[in-house]
Amino acid sequence: DTAVSQTPKYLVTQMGNDKSIKCEQNLGHDTMYWYKQDSKKFLKIMFSYNNKELIINETVPNRFSPKSPDKAHLNLHINSLELGDSAVYFCASSQDLRGRAADEQFFGPGTRLTVL
Amino acid sequence: SQQGEEDPQALSIQEGENATMNCSYKTSINNLQWYRQNSGRGLVHLILIRSNEREKHSGRLRVTLDTSKKSSSLLITASRAADTASYFCATDATGDSNYQLIWGAGTKLIIKP
Repeated sequence: DTAVSQTPKYLVTQMGNDKSIKCEQNLGHDTMYWYKQDSKKFLKIMFSYNNKELIINETVPNRFSPKSPDKAHLNLHINSLELGDSAVYFCASSQDLRGRAADEQFFGPGTRLTVL
Repeated sequence: SQQGEEDPQALSIQEGENATMNCSYKTSINNLQWYRQNSGRGLVHLILIRSNEREKHSGRLRVTLDTSKKSSSLLITASRAADTASYFCATDATGDSNYQLIWGAGTKLIIKP
């Protein structure tokens, strides 16, 4: 069984389009994340949700909007896609963080987004 | 923000040799974690070492932590072709109320058969 799954795996689209990436975890974790990994492999946190509540919102354009319908799902919607949005986007999850140090994170397989 | 810096950026060794990667960080931490990323895949957690620990083992992996030097090393013994991957360190900084991990840029390890 896949612990953290993302769809789609590949996404090729034109500038200006709106797209969504879906993420689901079946680990029973309370916290989920979205990361962006650029071509140089730098991994940058974008958002983090704990029990459907936003707890980390790094400086990303407001064209990016996360949505968490329940604690097992964290979707990423991107409006008006730009060339610079091309990257690999990873979803991850971990146990509830509140009150203690960060635990290990479980990553999805990634979504490679290419904006033409 | 990038706190960790891995060293070297890339490492190429023969199968069977040992591989050592280093990670330096800037602030006090609760713990430090190492992850592996195979090409085209997500990251996989390898080992977590807490700030009050100095060394930890898991199979062929050995991690050390020197909080006075704000550095950690990952040793892979008797390397195999399947160890070819990028390796990242991540730190959980103390005082960070968001408990987010801060990631290094990674070391690309190539094991030559």
